[in-house]
Amino acid sequence: KNEVEQSPQNLTAQEGEFITINCSYSVGISALHWLQQHPGGGIVSLFMLSSGKKKHGRLIATINIQEKHSSLHITASHPRDSAVYICEENTGNQFYFGTGTSLTVIP
Amino acid sequence: DAGVIQSPRHEVTEMGQEVTLRCKPISGHNSLFWYRQTMMRGLELLIYFNNNVPIDDSGMPEDRFSAKMPNASFSTLKIQPSEPRDSAVYFCASSLGSGLYGYTFGSGTRLTVV
Repeated sequence: KNEVEQSPQNLTAQEGEFITINCSYSVGISALHWLQQHPGGGIVSLFMLSSGKKKHGRLIATINIQEKHSSLHITASHPRDSAVYICEENTGNQFYFGTGTSLTVIP
Repeated sequence: DAGVIQSPRHEVTEMGQEVTLRCKPISGHNSLFWYRQTMMRGLELLIYFNNNVPIDDSGMPEDRFSAKMPNASFSTLKIQPSEPRDSAVYFCASSLGSGLYGYTFGSGTRLTVV
């Protein structure tokens, strides 16, 4: 049974802090997907990566295939980054979700 | 592009009734996914289609659930008969290439079965 584990489950940070959310998976992947779910419920696809690193604005996602681990970093965090961040493992024909990390950034 | 369009946004129905959720994917996307989200179980993939063909429906909870994609621009998820435990938010998403290039999500349908 494949498992996708995220840590931490909950995270509170002060505005401006550097934030790291971790995701570990147990099966070989085709791609690792980071999702952001806003407090209103809408879901946004942030990154899809299968190797190395991707950057978009203040968000950076990295993946280590050998260690089966991915991280999502937020630099200079802002209250509008407050959301639930979910990682999803895509094996090509199977999809497994982490339970999410709830991030609150305090002004 | 209007994005992935789901309807209705909210649905309240009585136990035993048939419920149909609708999704219009982004034009040109060839994969479509139905998800369910609950507090207890988080986000779960129910079924996904590639080029209108169901590829994996192992997430469909039971025979009361069925999904169709009659053409590239429309999909339905039907629950018959509905039960209170089906209450959840149902999301539809579309993508190119089985999601390997990212997804676009719809706004979701909040279903309440009383």
